[in-house]
Amino acid sequence: GDSVTQMEGPVTLSEEAFLTINCTYTATGYPSLFWYVQYPGEGLQLLLKATKADDKGSNKGFEATYRKETTSFHLEKGSVQVSDSAVYFCALSGSNSGYSTLTFGKGTMLLVSP
Amino acid sequence: GAVVSQHPSRVICKSGTSVKIECRSLDFQATTMFWYRQFPKQSLMLMATSNEGSKATYEQGVEKDKFLINHASLTLSTLTVTSAHPEDSSFYICSASMASGGNEQFFGPGTRLTVL
Repeated sequence: GDSVTQMEGPVTLSEEAFLTINCTYTATGYPSLFWYVQYPGEGLQLLLKATKADDKGSNKGFEATYRKETTSFHLEKGSVQVSDSAVYFCALSGSNSGYSTLTFGKGTMLLVSP
Repeated sequence: GAVVSQHPSRVICKSGTSVKIECRSLDFQATTMFWYRQFPKQSLMLMATSNEGSKATYEQGVEKDKFLINHASLTLSTLTVTSAHPEDSSFYICSASMASGGNEQFFGPGTRLTVL
């Protein structure tokens, strides 16, 4: 079945540091790939997505490129802020009986200190 | 656009009682709604998927008689935890997708259930 593997956290960085959170996936067909962010006590917010190979999703300074050859969708940001502290989930969507279901990675906590 | 709300945001109940959680799509018609459960510091586990007007499809290992799901309209789905026990304490999150929205799910803010 489909699966998503993320690097374990927490990832601890100083403000303005470069961020990479690795994500690899296993899936049949051509899934869409997503990064979601969850702030403490809140639900998930879509951060960015890519629907086909070589697409780059970007939002709020975050980027991720859909790499089919390496089955990866690593999240990057050039300069993190304290407000970026949250849990980040990589996910893929597959099809099941006509609707799409999401398979999530276990999440990576990011802690950014001033 | 594409806002999903949940009510209540937090609920505390006694063991043995039932709790209903509502999930509403505020500005779109949700043909499919999903219910997830999230344990502390863990990922989201899909519990069930519901399409408006039909029975929910439960994931393996999820008790359908304990977690009752009703998707009565295109903007409302409810999850009822029946005869709740402390082990049912968790963060429950719903999401919704629209027929014209491709494969994107829009998530609610979640409901924190604590069973004493």
